Amino acid sequence: EAGVVQSPRYKIIEKKQPVAFWCNPISGHNTLYWYLQNLGQGPELLIRYENEEAVDDSQLPKDRFSAERLKGVDSTLKIQPAELGDSAVYLCASKPEMNTGELFFGEGSRLTVL
Amino acid sequence: RKEVEQDPGPFNVPEGATVAFNCTYSNSASQSFFWYRQDCRKEPKLLMSVYSSGNEDGRFTAQLNRASQYISLLIRDSKLSDSATYLCAVLNDYKLSFGAGTTVTVRA
Repeated sequence: EAGVVQSPRYKIIEKKQPVAFWCNPISGHNTLYWYLQNLGQGPELLIRYENEEAVDDSQLPKDRFSAERLKGVDSTLKIQPAELGDSAVYLCASKPEMNTGELFFGEGSRLTVL
Repeated sequence: RKEVEQDPGPFNVPEGATVAFNCTYSNSASQSFFWYRQDCRKEPKLLMSVYSSGNEDGRFTAQLNRASQYISLLIRDSKLSDSATYLCAVLNDYKLSFGAGTTVTVRA
């Protein structure tokens, strides 16, 4: 079974440019998360989806970040415009509806903003 | 105060040694607890859940102390392959919050 797929794996952009990350969760997983991980820190939740509904986006900086999961399957996270401090790894994770704590993470998208 | 706090380490131990470290959490109503393992430049993966009665999985033992609001992980007979960052995770109302991780390096 395929795991969580993310792309791109690496992205280097200049500040003020836009960037988008894509995630395809494990088939059948209704819950999808976007986390941000800075070097030496643990993952920090940005947004959680239950199917196509964003049920927790309280940590998403909405002035520059947006996300969507239109058909309740794959998801896109966008940053516009990017700032130097956005350099981090953006992790997507999914889990089946009934499972409580085991999240399955993708390999992440590593963003460098110059 | 952060929701989940861990001693960042690093813990440098010889092969065969026992190493243990804790994680504290701030919300006394937290429902579930987990240890994740993250290798360098890789994604986190679930190592084990932590049950109220404590639980063991091979060389790994996890304990929960609700009164003092901490969980612990003990690794016995350390192997080189145990070198990684161990992330504590706490579930509150469907939100899984992570600590910053404890780095363990096992040396030959």
